[in-house]
Amino acid sequence: EAQVTQNPRYLITVTGKKLTVTCSQNMNHEYMSWYRQDPGLGLRQIYYSMNVEVTDKGDVPEGYKVSRKEKRNFPLILESPSPNQTSLYFCASSLSQGRYEQYFGPGTRLTVT
Amino acid sequence: LAKTTQPISMDSYEGQEVNITCSHNNIATNDYITWYQQFPSQGPRFIIQGYKTKVTNEVASLFIPADRKSSTLSLPRVSLSDTAVYYCRTYNFNKFYFGSGTKLNVKP
Repeated sequence: EAQVTQNPRYLITVTGKKLTVTCSQNMNHEYMSWYRQDPGLGLRQIYYSMNVEVTDKGDVPEGYKVSRKEKRNFPLILESPSPNQTSLYFCASSLSQGRYEQYFGPGTRLTVT
Repeated sequence: LAKTTQPISMDSYEGQEVNITCSHNNIATNDYITWYQQFPSQGPRFIIQGYKTKVTNEVASLFIPADRKSSTLSLPRVSLSDTAVYYCRTYNFNKFYFGSGTKLNVKP
């Protein structure tokens, strides 16, 4: 089954404790991205990757890191989480950039206390 | 920036046609407008996409005027299961831009 998976689905952590949210797709997609979703603000792109070893900042990259060492995986790293990073996070992939349909993961709800 | 603007919420009744408009004044010349649907506790999923004029598929229609500065998603004869948040999406300089979403509430 074609899908995007994220782990964990739920995470409660404390300020400053490094964490990684994993994302994996099995569709051989080139383009992957991370979004955060907050009430009233919709989906905002954090980082994106156009292919292996090619990543770039989206609209809200502060406090986040990503890597793309393999085509299928695109982990999101919070080196020192803060309470303002409490949010719902989605990973998405598409065949390429532009007009292509994005496939979204199920989301990761992160709470930073 | 390719910002998009949508109404925050809409109410409708079962069986009615619903039209949700998105404004995207700065859309790029070669960009497509894409709409997504999102249910609670799920990621958004693709509904329909278009470049200009009208596009129709089995679930919706998309109307895009000649100046392409807005687009209207049309859901014919909605049912309770269409209650969801609907997002329009544009693309510019390798980045995707989603609107803040329109929460559609379908009543019996």
